Amino acid sequence: DIQMTQSPSSLSASVGDRVTVACRASQSIAGYLHWYQQKPGKAPKRLIYSASTLESGVPSRFSGSGFGTDFTLTITSLQPEDVAIYFCQQGYSRPLSFGGGTKVEI
Amino acid sequence: QVQLQESGPGPVKPSQTLSLTCAVSGYSISRGGYSWSWVRQHPGKGLEWIGYVYNTGTTYYNPSLKSRIAISVDTSKNQFSLKLSSVTAADTAVYFCARVYNDCFDYWGQGTLVTVSS
Repeated sequence: DIQMTQSPSSLSASVGDRVTVACRASQSIAGYLHWYQQKPGKAPKRLIYSASTLESGVPSRFSGSGFGTDFTLTITSLQPEDVAIYFCQQGYSRPLSFGGGTKVEI
Repeated sequence: QVQLQESGPGPVKPSQTLSLTCAVSGYSISRGGYSWSWVRQHPGKGLEWIGYVYNTGTTYYNPSLKSRIAISVDTSKNQFSLKLSSVTAADTAVYFCARVYNDCFDYWGQGTLVTVSS
């Protein structure tokens, strides 16, 4: 099974800051890495798929990069509405697996 | 717009079977092209993939739960279901249903909290 590790587990930043969330896979997953945003009491929402493709309607301040085992989610200018938990997920092999999440606060 | 809605009977007693249904609107399951999944989230924790089913009835399960789960599809009602047997308190979680394409979750239900308690 592929283990997904996110860092940090939480972070606090100011409005307008650049924020970076890291996700590492226990083995190569090529580009089969997806990012989700979950706000309190809500279902996860897909932000980025295939490592770097932005979901339609998602603000361009979100971006993803990486390949193989190391991936990054970047928010270029943090906004109040970005307060959420962010999860990565590998779709390379079953069982599908998620990172532990990164809580982003302001 | 694709929408998914979970429903279930509420609290479940230990050793019983948890049963949930996910009603899909805005897309006909019988068209194929996607799988239909269950994911759970323990209180304050991360996400755990349970398994998924295709319109054909083909299923894939997380090995960690495989002995206790069954996921089925009813294309005539445009819904799919989860049964988890022999539940314990460790199965208390929010259960989400979701649509899956290329092993990526694109639409999610709002989730339903299932509490296992005597």
